Amino acid sequence: NAGVTQTPKFRVLKTGQSMTLLCAQDMNHEYMYWYRQDPGMGLRLIHYSVGEGTTAKGEVPDGYNVSRLKKQNFLLGLESAAPSQTSVYFCASRNGGQETQYFGPGTRLLVL
Amino acid sequence: AQTVTQSQPEMSVQEAETVTLSCTYDTSENNYYLFWYKQPPSRQMILVIRQEAYKQQNATENRFSVNFQKAAKSFSLKISDSQLGDTAMYFCAFMKRHTPLVFGKGTRLSVIA
Repeated sequence: NAGVTQTPKFRVLKTGQSMTLLCAQDMNHEYMYWYRQDPGMGLRLIHYSVGEGTTAKGEVPDGYNVSRLKKQNFLLGLESAAPSQTSVYFCASRNGGQETQYFGPGTRLLVL
Repeated sequence: AQTVTQSQPEMSVQEAETVTLSCTYDTSENNYYLFWYKQPPSRQMILVIRQEAYKQQNATENRFSVNFQKAAKSFSLKISDSQLGDTAMYFCAFMKRHTPLVFGKGTRLSVIA
């Protein structure tokens, strides 16, 4: 049971490039979330999903897109990366019947 | 919208001493959940303790306990017998049922030998 995993762990992008961050969970959780963490800002919600095929916007969704084609995977896409998207990205998931979220190890993204 | 405030950006404590981290929140809801997460230098987010608002009894987990004051909308974390491994960022978080977590900005705790 790997829990929540994130791919890649670290990535450097140039401004304007695109990339996809992958989050996978093997706990059969319904809910999945993408957060970004910036110094002094805590964790802020980007997008989330309450089930396969559903997505919703969070607090800071601009510049990102997401997809939940399979229950176990939640993808976060950057179509045209900007330096302001330099951050640490965390994925989390939880069971619909419980309130505790389980986090992945994070992806550090640097946009030059 | 719900907000979570952690008024202490940084704190330090001597090893074996007790320290209390503050958290206040703003909500008009009556049923909700509160959490403390720990983030060590490894960056992993680790759940420390959780509290259901409908429970009057304060949650405890070994050396960690909370002081939950619902009327004052306060949720502080007390760490007893502090250990070097407690050095980390600590985040307070709030959640209404079936909604995402809302985090505070965090408190950086340093445990000094």
